[in-house]
Amino acid sequence: AQRVTQPEKLLSVFKGAPVELKCNYSYSGSPELFWYVQYSRQRLQLLLRHISRESIKGFTADLNKGETSFHLKKPFAQEEDSAMYYCALSGSSASGSRLTFGEGTQLTVNP
Amino acid sequence: DAGVIQSPRHEVTEMGQEVTLRCKPISGHNSLFWYRQTMMRGLELLIYFNNNVPIDDSGMPEDRFSAKMPNASFSTLKIQPSEPRDSAVYFCASRPRTGNGYTFGSGTRLTVV
Repeated sequence: AQRVTQPEKLLSVFKGAPVELKCNYSYSGSPELFWYVQYSRQRLQLLLRHISRESIKGFTADLNKGETSFHLKKPFAQEEDSAMYYCALSGSSASGSRLTFGEGTQLTVNP
Repeated sequence: DAGVIQSPRHEVTEMGQEVTLRCKPISGHNSLFWYRQTMMRGLELLIYFNNNVPIDDSGMPEDRFSAKMPNASFSTLKIQPSEPRDSAVYFCASRPRTGNGYTFGSGTRLTVV
């Protein structure tokens, strides 16, 4: 079974402050981890994939297999970062793979 | 590429009526997913198809829900009869054969009154 946990439903920070959105997962194999962002009433957009190891909009995330975590970080939050953030895991099987989401964290960046 | 296209964008219907949601995946993508998003339960996977074949429908809440994928470019999610608790945003996503690039549609906001 694959499971994703985001312990914080709500996170509020001030503009310019560092932000970390936590994500933990459980999966018996080698998962692919993602972060998706959803701005108000819009579609989910891919923010990061762990295999690409890139930084998007100043966000980074490192896969820690020992701690089974994939926390999302940004050193200086901006007001436009306010959105819902979902951590997601994709397993792999011969018949295809499903994308399992965490519960989501609503980030609010205050001026 | 127009991305994953869902219709309608909004649907308001009365309890007991049949509702059909539609999805056109990205051309060349061979996997298609239906998700439901609510405030209480977040994003739930309802069903997914691989090469037009349903692989896992364990997330379909009740027999009132059914999904089909008659060909590689079209899928429907049907609720019959609809109930107020079905009110949610329903997202469709597709994914190519190689890589893990899931792309989501804009969603259908369903309100059952």
